[in-house]
Amino acid sequence: EADIYQTPRYLVIGTGKKITLECSQTMGHDKMYWYQQDPGMELHLIHYSYGVNSTEKGDLSSESTVSRIRTEHFPLTLESARPSHTSQYLCASTQGSNQPQHFGDGTRLSIL
Amino acid sequence: GENVEQHPSTLSVQEGDSAVIKCTYSDSASNYFPWYKQELGKGPQLIIDIRSNVGEKKDQRIAVTLNKTAKHFSLHITETQPEDSAVYFCAAGITGFQKLVFGTGTRLLVSP
Repeated sequence: EADIYQTPRYLVIGTGKKITLECSQTMGHDKMYWYQQDPGMELHLIHYSYGVNSTEKGDLSSESTVSRIRTEHFPLTLESARPSHTSQYLCASTQGSNQPQHFGDGTRLSIL
Repeated sequence: GENVEQHPSTLSVQEGDSAVIKCTYSDSASNYFPWYKQELGKGPQLIIDIRSNVGEKKDQRIAVTLNKTAKHFSLHITETQPEDSAVYFCAAGITGFQKLVFGTGTRLLVSP
């Protein structure tokens, strides 16, 4: 069983607030990813990292930012939340190419 | 870049029937094809994967077939059970690129 954790699981917050979504994995994986997903819909890659101090933007443009200061930790930040940011955010990690990505259970974010 | 199409978008079967979900990909360099199952409120979980050096792989009631010439791969679930009800995603990856491209998902409903 993969060990990747996301907190909080649910967050309802007002417009304009700064938000940080946490993602941690205990498998020592170098590669980590953030996806945005509307419920039951396709996954859109918004950020990824190949290792410490490496971050890249994904295929879907996002106003969020990420950091990778430690191997196990890959937080996502929204400086000023807006209703358009309402979605589910999934974090994943992998050992390498041709290896499966392991997903957390996601954070469901609602911006009022 | 890679594009993955997935069909059908919804699939309803009776318990005990078989279910087949099909995906096509565009980039002939893709060589890794995982399938994920996502239950309500959870992140996607890997159920089976296949690499381009094999044509078929089985795990109990689940099998995946790959046709590299036609650039398509399929998930087969036999003797379906109500607990198989979920959203299923296919994906394609290329060695060295570290990213997966996901299909749009299939909502499978198994009725008792």
